[in-house]
Formats: sequence, structure tokens, C-alpha cells
Amino acid sequence: NAGVTQTPKFQVLKTGQSMTLQCAQDMNHNSMYWYRQDPGMGLRLIYYSASEGTTDKGEVPNGYNVSRLNKREFSLRLESAAPSQTSVYFCASSVLQGGDGYTFGSGTRLTVV
Amino acid sequence: SQQGEEDPQALSIQEGENATMNCSYKTSINNLQWYRQNSGRGLVHLILIRSNEREKHSGRLRVTLDTSKKSSSLLITASRAADTASYFCATDTHTDKLIFGTGTRLQVFP
Repeated sequence: NAGVTQTPKFQVLKTGQSMTLQCAQDMNHNSMYWYRQDPGMGLRLIYYSASEGTTDKGEVPNGYNVSRLNKREFSLRLESAAPSQTSVYFCASSVLQGGDGYTFGSGTRLTVV
Repeated sequence: SQQGEEDPQALSIQEGENATMNCSYKTSINNLQWYRQNSGRGLVHLILIRSNEREKHSGRLRVTLDTSKKSSSLLITASRAADTASYFCATDTHTDKLIFGTGTRLQVFP
């Protein structure tokens, strides 16, 4: 089992460029999440999708959009990248929203210059 | 604002010693979970304790939960160098999503 797969693993963007981070899970999980991790800040929730067809804002949604393409895939889009969005991004999934352990991807390290 | 705060922020011990890290949170919870993160990797789920449970074991891990004090502790017994990692608590606060703390960095020296 691959679990949660994120692409790309590394990306450098110029300010103002756009990009989409891809996430796919093969565990038939209902819920999917996007977090960002910054030094000393722990993980902060950007957006989540409790089930296919639904998405909701988390703690830090500004500057991001998401698409739950199907049950397997949940993408995160930066429309106009800013240096403040330099971070490590993690996708996660779970069987039940919030009520079970999450499975995390290996992360995307994004640098905006 | 962070729901969970781990203490200490960093901990250094020798192999064979026990490591204890604590987590405090602010609001009522459904459950509390602990995760490990090795450097440069994603988080790995270690253990989940529900609000009606007081203690749970998994191998060398022991987790306690005191809902009256809104706190939890993670004990790793007989630590190994391979336990070197960051450890995060995460709370399920009836809002369909986990909120993570800022983590404890554990260094285990051989």
C-alpha cells in the first residue's frame, strides 16, 4: 500500500506564480486534510474535506484553494504565491473525520522567492 | 491559536532512560492522539486515547489523560536512539478535525 502520496516533494516558486500540490490516498478514507508546518508553529490546518464533495476552511485558509476531485484525490492550489507561503505542506487522510488516527504523506517542501 | 502545547520543547536523554513529555490543551475533547515525526518526514500516528479513558499502553509507550486538568503525558520507556524524533499531541475537539501542538524534540544519545 502506498498510503498517502504527495507530489511534488520539492518546489521553488517565484512570487506571484501559481501551482497545485497533489495528494492521493489509496486507503478508501473518507476525510482528507492539508496542513502546513513552519518552524516552532507545529502543524496548522489549511483546508479539509470531511467527505467527497465537501470542503471546509481550517485555521489558515487565506491564499489557498482546494479541490476534492474524487474520494482518492485532494489538491491544494496557490493562485499567487507569496514568500509567507514558504513552508512544508502535508496532506493527511482518515477513515472518520477527526475520530481516528491520520495517515500523513511525506510532505512538499515549498520555497517562494 | 494552538489548542495543544507540549512540554518540554526539547528533551535530551541517554539510551535506556525513560522519556516523558506532556501536553496541555484548552477545550473539551473527543480524543487525544500522539504522533511522531522523524526529521524531514511525515507524521506517524502512535496512539489514541479517548476522553473516557485514563491510561493506554502500546509497546514501550504509555499515555495518560487527565480531562480535569486538560493534560496528557506520553512516556517512552527504555528509550533507543531510533526514538529520536519530534513528538506531537493532537486533539479532536468535536469539530471534525485535529488540532496539533507545537511538539517536543526528543534526542536519544547512544
